[in-house]
Amino acid sequence: SAVISQKPSRDICQRGTSLTIQCQVDSQVTMMFWYRQQPGQSLTLIATANQGSEATYESGFVIDKFPISRPNLTFSTLTVSNMSPEDSSIYLCSVPGPGHYEQYFGPGTRLTVT
Amino acid sequence: KQEVTQIPAALSVPEGENLVLNCSFTDSAIYNLQWFRQDPGKGLTSLLLIQSSQREQTSGRLNASLDKSSGRSTLYIAASQPGDSATYLCAVAGTASKLTFGTGTRLQVTL
Repeated sequence: SAVISQKPSRDICQRGTSLTIQCQVDSQVTMMFWYRQQPGQSLTLIATANQGSEATYESGFVIDKFPISRPNLTFSTLTVSNMSPEDSSIYLCSVPGPGHYEQYFGPGTRLTVT
Repeated sequence: KQEVTQIPAALSVPEGENLVLNCSFTDSAIYNLQWFRQDPGKGLTSLLLIQSSQREQTSGRLNASLDKSSGRSTLYIAASQPGDSATYLCAVAGTASKLTFGTGTRLQVTL
């Protein structure tokens, strides 16, 4: 299974600022996914980050709000821009295992916007 | 659009009981279904993966079944323990490995 780390583990940010979340995987993967879990809700896919191409965003999520970088096959960043209290969530990255069957998740970044 | 529902939303059982968690999905065109466990303040731990061609998978005290045609899966936990207390999530995989998650079942196993 893949070992995934995220930084920061948690942060408290002020409204209007931006936060960049890092995701590091211990093996090379073609796809990385970013999910959001709002308080009391389940996980929702934000976007798919592919190395060498622009990220693909799900309905309701836009690049200006959640820019994503994927500089290599083991690393990705998600930026939450111009934050509002509604952005308070846990943000998780994930990668598919061999054969793209099972998926593995990072520990998450707990973001609170005041 | 795929929708995944889990019943019950919350469950409290005494230690030692066997229990069943339910997951239903609206679109049967899935590649696989995965059950996760989420502990407070932590990420997701994969418990079981069932391919669309399979009917069930077992790991220790856990057994998951899949009826793709009816859009249902169950997670059976035998002889529950306090350490099983967590939120259990099911997720179905559509195209390009994207997961659609259920609403979750919060389980509390009491002494």
